[in-house]
Amino acid sequence: DTGVSQDPRHKITKRGQNVTFRCDPISEHNRLYWYRQTLGQGPEFLTYFQNEAQLEKSRLLSDRFSAERPKGSFSTLEIQRTEQGDSAMYLCASSLVGGWRNEEKNTQYFGPGTRLTVL
Amino acid sequence: AQSVSQHNHHVILSEAASLELGCNYSYGGTVNLFWYVQYPGQHLQLLLKYFSGDPLVKGIKGFEAEFIKSKFSFNLRKPSVQWSDTAEYFCALKPNFGNEKLTFGTGTRL
Repeated sequence: DTGVSQDPRHKITKRGQNVTFRCDPISEHNRLYWYRQTLGQGPEFLTYFQNEAQLEKSRLLSDRFSAERPKGSFSTLEIQRTEQGDSAMYLCASSLVGGWRNEEKNTQYFGPGTRLTVL
Repeated sequence: AQSVSQHNHHVILSEAASLELGCNYSYGGTVNLFWYVQYPGQHLQLLLKYFSGDPLVKGIKGFEAEFIKSKFSFNLRKPSVQWSDTAEYFCALKPNFGNEKLTFGTGTRL
């Protein structure tokens, strides 16, 4: 178990370009979450998957954002036509599915994040 | 809608001082509560969590938190802080049913 990994760790891009981030969850974790964190704020939920199904999307996730988890393992988050307001840390987390009393299965573990800077 | 408030944005303490960081939440149902810590240059790590049962939960590195349902609070405590506790601390909430997302507070920098 090597933890949640994210790639790249840093991305600098020009406004209007497309960017894609990757997240590899903890092995056998069937839930995968994306969050965004801006300076001075806590992480904000964007979307989550259970296996390959995207089950919830936040209103923060505009049409320029798309996330996939095609085989129920790794996930990608793409931002099209980036804007300066997209500059943030993009965090990925994973967990197992379990009943509401199951503490371990309802605990999310976070990766190191991808810091995006849009110039 | 659910929300989490952390009123202390920045706390400065001397080593060996006692620590208490406030966390209040707003949600109409039963919740799971978490404290995460982010050390400089590192990713978010779970410090402790409350799901049910004993409202006083103990976490790693000598931290503990107490869930007070009547006050909608989940304050984090440590009797004697060390320089290595310098970090940002986030309180988070997840409803027991129907919603899988974590809602975070804005964090407290220690």
